[in-house]
Amino acid sequence: AQSVTQLGSHVSVSEGALVLLRCNYSSSVPPYLFWYVQYPNQGLQLLLKYTTGATLVKGINGFEAEFKKSETSFHLTKPSAHMSDAAEYFCAVQEDSSYKLIFGSGTRLLVRP
Amino acid sequence: NAGVTQTPKFRVLKTGQSMTLLCAQDMNHEYMYWYRQDPGMGLRLIHYSVGEGTTAKGEVPDGYNVSRLKKQNFLLGLESAAPSQTSVYFCASRMTGANSPLHFGNGTRLTVT
Repeated sequence: AQSVTQLGSHVSVSEGALVLLRCNYSSSVPPYLFWYVQYPNQGLQLLLKYTTGATLVKGINGFEAEFKKSETSFHLTKPSAHMSDAAEYFCAVQEDSSYKLIFGSGTRLLVRP
Repeated sequence: NAGVTQTPKFRVLKTGQSMTLLCAQDMNHEYMYWYRQDPGMGLRLIHYSVGEGTTAKGEVPDGYNVSRLKKQNFLLGLESAAPSQTSVYFCASRMTGANSPLHFGNGTRLTVT
């Protein structure tokens, strides 16, 4: 069965610092992987996705994520945090044979001035 | 382009009352989903539909029913609301193909007293 683990329910960084949000998954087959962002009182928006091909995926707002099959990880990074990046971030996994997207429990990113 | 629209945005129910949440999408998506979001638990799948007239159970289906009479609409019903159903409910839709991302509505905040 698929599962997604996001390490750290809250991550706090200073403005301009590196952002690293961790995601590990368990899947019996190579999955499709997604990161979504949720701003207050809104639904989730797609940040980026990995399907096949290049393992480093670039998304919106300067975020990127690297798929590492050997580590079953899909960590999200951004070189320099901005105040507007404060939000909750969700990692999600889907197997090709499944209709269902499974979400991690989320990581709330706080950006200090 | 409205995308995914959920109504109502907020609702307060007393224990034992019933209600229906409506989700409408204008993107001609085949697949539609209902999730609930609770603090620290991420998004959990309640029910989903892979086409008009079809529905299936997700992770937490108990206490909920759904219907998909028209392709663009997906209704979530609570027959006898319980305080444990206090949550934020999100509807989402996507195209067929496992690498197609979900498009989310802005959520319905439900409180059951």
